[in-house]
Amino acid sequence: GQSLEQPSEVTAVEGAIVQINCTYQTSGFYGLSWYQQHDGGAPTFLSYNALDGLEETGRFSSFLSRSDSYGYLLLQELQMKDSASYFCALHSGGYQKVTFGTGTKLQVIP
Amino acid sequence: GAVVSQHPSWVICKSGTSVKIECRSLDFQATTMFWYRQFPKQSLMLMATSNEGSKATYEQGVEKDKFLINHASLTLSTLTVTSAHPEDSSFYICSARDGLLTGELFFGEGSRLTVL
Repeated sequence: GQSLEQPSEVTAVEGAIVQINCTYQTSGFYGLSWYQQHDGGAPTFLSYNALDGLEETGRFSSFLSRSDSYGYLLLQELQMKDSASYFCALHSGGYQKVTFGTGTKLQVIP
Repeated sequence: GAVVSQHPSWVICKSGTSVKIECRSLDFQATTMFWYRQFPKQSLMLMATSNEGSKATYEQGVEKDKFLINHASLTLSTLTVTSAHPEDSSFYICSARDGLLTGELFFGEGSRLTVL
């Protein structure tokens, strides 16, 4: 089976940088993606890594290391609206199903 | 971006009845859709992969006879919770990929089911 572990909660100050880690166990996969979900809402896509290395999209960056079974999401210039849950997700299988991690609740404080 | 519409947003039903939830891709064709279940303050649990024109692929531990999935067209997948019980109360959410091999899934708004 697969498993993706994330810290359950992270608190950071507005304007700062925060890193949310994701460690996984899987026999094979296509890539790792990241999603944001506000309370009561649907997840929205942030970033995707098919290859090792860093992907940058505005204030958000994502990193993948297949050799370390590890990835992270980096959020810069934190804003209050970034307070939400963040999920890493593995893409695997013939239909590239997407399996979500345990999720990290980020609280941004003034 | 692509839009996925899901309804109903809220549904309350009596124990023993069946409930159907629809998931539509509005501006793209989705050969594959995914159904998730989410409990409060928890992650999204993949229930099944819905494939147009073929049987759904269910995840281990998900009862296929209880959660019927039909993907009759390239823009519509339905999830029917049969003989619902209070423990089936949850947030059900669908997602679709627009056919490109990117990491982006487009999610519906979700359906909150309450079984009395």
